[in-house]
Amino acid sequence: DTGVSQDPRHKITKRGQNVTFRCDPISEHNRLYWYRQTLGQGPEFLTYFQNEAQLEKSRLLSDRFSAERPKGSFSTLEIQRTEQGDSAMYLCASSLAGRVLDEQFFGPGTRLTVL
Amino acid sequence: KNEVEQSPQNLTAQEGEFITINCSYSVGISALHWLQQHPGGGIVSLFMLSSGKKKHGRLIATINIQEKHSSLHITASHPRDSAVYICAVRYDGGSNYKLTFGKGTLLTVNP
Repeated sequence: DTGVSQDPRHKITKRGQNVTFRCDPISEHNRLYWYRQTLGQGPEFLTYFQNEAQLEKSRLLSDRFSAERPKGSFSTLEIQRTEQGDSAMYLCASSLAGRVLDEQFFGPGTRLTVL
Repeated sequence: KNEVEQSPQNLTAQEGEFITINCSYSVGISALHWLQQHPGGGIVSLFMLSSGKKKHGRLIATINIQEKHSSLHITASHPRDSAVYICAVRYDGGSNYKLTFGKGTLLTVNP
């Protein structure tokens, strides 16, 4: 399978714990995006990487959130001291800059439940 | 205020019916996506449009740039089409790589 993959698919944690999610983009894609989707809402932009550089962070991304893409390939999203309000689906997408219309391809998402 | 508006929010149809979902946005865009999301599942891209019309099987997507409006049509609907359909746009301008999403339309097709 050469699509975008995310791990884990589901995560249940207790409030106050740290969690880390991983995204593996399509191999030749140099752009990577994280989005968050809460129940009944459309996804919202969190952050964006071009290669290893994090070029934009949404104001939704509080200090407890950090994202990395160390070698310009896979990315991790860490949430420290989780809160119940962090419960959501975390979606990763990737695209290839320069391709016509720069279409984004989405992963299956990681569903986080904070108890 | 959500800048991408979809209607209807919920839609129930009988198998075989023709379905239309609408999307309106507020300012100039470089591209518009129609996406499909099954319960508990990830997002699948159905179409990406910058103008005109695209067709894939029973699905048709149209966009009117002047009116800032797009429609997704499903012909001969089937229960397996039941899903949330989401419109997302990429705005012109500085941050033109990220998508802004509508809230989605929940489609239920009954046999």
